[in-house]
Amino acid sequence: QKEVEQDPGPLSVPEGAIVSLNCTYSNSAFQYFMWYRQYSRKGPELLMYTYSSGNKEDGRFTAQVDKSSKYISLFIRDSQPSDSATYLCAMSGTSGTYKYIFGTGTRLKVLA
Amino acid sequence: KAGVTQTPRYLIKTRGQQVTLSCSPISGHRSVSWYQQTPGQGLQFLFEYFSETQRNKGNFPGRFSGRQFSNSRSEMNVSTLELGDSALYLCASSTGQGHTDTQYFGPGTRLTVL
Repeated sequence: QKEVEQDPGPLSVPEGAIVSLNCTYSNSAFQYFMWYRQYSRKGPELLMYTYSSGNKEDGRFTAQVDKSSKYISLFIRDSQPSDSATYLCAMSGTSGTYKYIFGTGTRLKVLA
Repeated sequence: KAGVTQTPRYLIKTRGQQVTLSCSPISGHRSVSWYQQTPGQGLQFLFEYFSETQRNKGNFPGRFSGRQFSNSRSEMNVSTLELGDSALYLCASSTGQGHTDTQYFGPGTRLTVL
């Protein structure tokens, strides 16, 4: 079983829809949770970063962490065609390894 | 501030050959991490260098090696290439100071092994 599981999609939604992207994980040592966005032929770029359980909002994006369920989510409100990309969740722990574990990514397509 | 640069962007090699990839981090960043990205496995951590020392290592065979120079530039070497090494190789730079440190990725080098 992988440490981080993410539905690969693809996920197709109409413009303006609310998108929910999710990851589950098995390692309870993870404390830091990140969401990256990767456009085709580009490297990943950091979207959101959260520490431990709770919500964090940044514009149309909300990141949610539920440590008790080992489940994290990224919500995108009022989705736009420019949001079409692959979304990767990433996690790291407190063991001093400075190592990120990534999900396989969910491909999102927002239809105009 | 210039971003992370990787060279070359594309590379085609044959089985058994070796390859060296290069990464120039953001100015002032001392940590460089390397990742392999494939459709089936996603992003997998290879290793991280900080101040010319390998600080962390993923679960890859010894054919994968790296180094970091005093100017923080890093190289990754893969010897005796196998078909399964075809992937996008990404490097990410950061200040290297703590878990909240943001990693900035380069555009990657796409390696094809024939």
